[in-house]
Amino acid sequence: DIVVTQSPDSLAVSLGERATIHCKSSQSILYNSNNENYLGWYQQKPGHPPKLLIYWASTRESGVPDRFSGSGSGTDFTLTISTLQAEDVGVYYCQQYYTTPPAFGGGTKVEIK
Amino acid sequence: EMQLVESGGGLVQPGRSLRLSCTASGFTFGEYTVTWVRQAPGKGLEWVGIIRTKTYGPTMEYAASVKGRFTISRDDSKSIAYLQMSSLKAEDTAVYYCVTGSHYFGVFDIWGQGTLVSVSS
Repeated sequence: DIVVTQSPDSLAVSLGERATIHCKSSQSILYNSNNENYLGWYQQKPGHPPKLLIYWASTRESGVPDRFSGSGSGTDFTLTISTLQAEDVGVYYCQQYYTTPPAFGGGTKVEIK
Repeated sequence: EMQLVESGGGLVQPGRSLRLSCTASGFTFGEYTVTWVRQAPGKGLEWVGIIRTKTYGPTMEYAASVKGRFTISRDDSKSIAYLQMSSLKAEDTAVYYCVTGSHYFGVFDIWGQGTLVSVSS
């Protein structure tokens, strides 16, 4: 099974500053036949289900602000929030869907400094 | 609008059984894979299992932690998926979400609100 590891576990960022979250998979999740990375990013706020932000590693879900961006390929990926807003506080998860079972990272808690 | 609504959660004693339901609306349910994901209190997300569409069987797969105890099924005529849980353990305590993907089956853009299962004596 593919294992997905996120870092850091938590980070505190000032409003308007950049937040960067890292995700690493135990093996490549790049499918060569379509050149897609099978990785998604989710945001979860307390008491709510996760919300999809990014899929195919860098495709922003409809309605997601463009301050959220995803990058990376193969085994190493990054979610960047370019200018942190108060409403971005929450826990962020990456998830590989290259193989079954799909695996989530352990989560990164984002707070305001 | 594609929607999923879970029901059936509650307090159950260890060793007992419980069945969760996931009712879909706003889309042709039979054309979509359904996945169950759970989240223990204060913890991260854990994939529980999947049921694919009739085109693929339907076939089911389960996490090692629940294999042999949990069974996923679906009734496309009613737009409902089920998670039958037996031999429940304290570590099964979690919010259970049913999810599906409109972009690709492994991309979870549609989530239910979740239903809490508490296993305790």
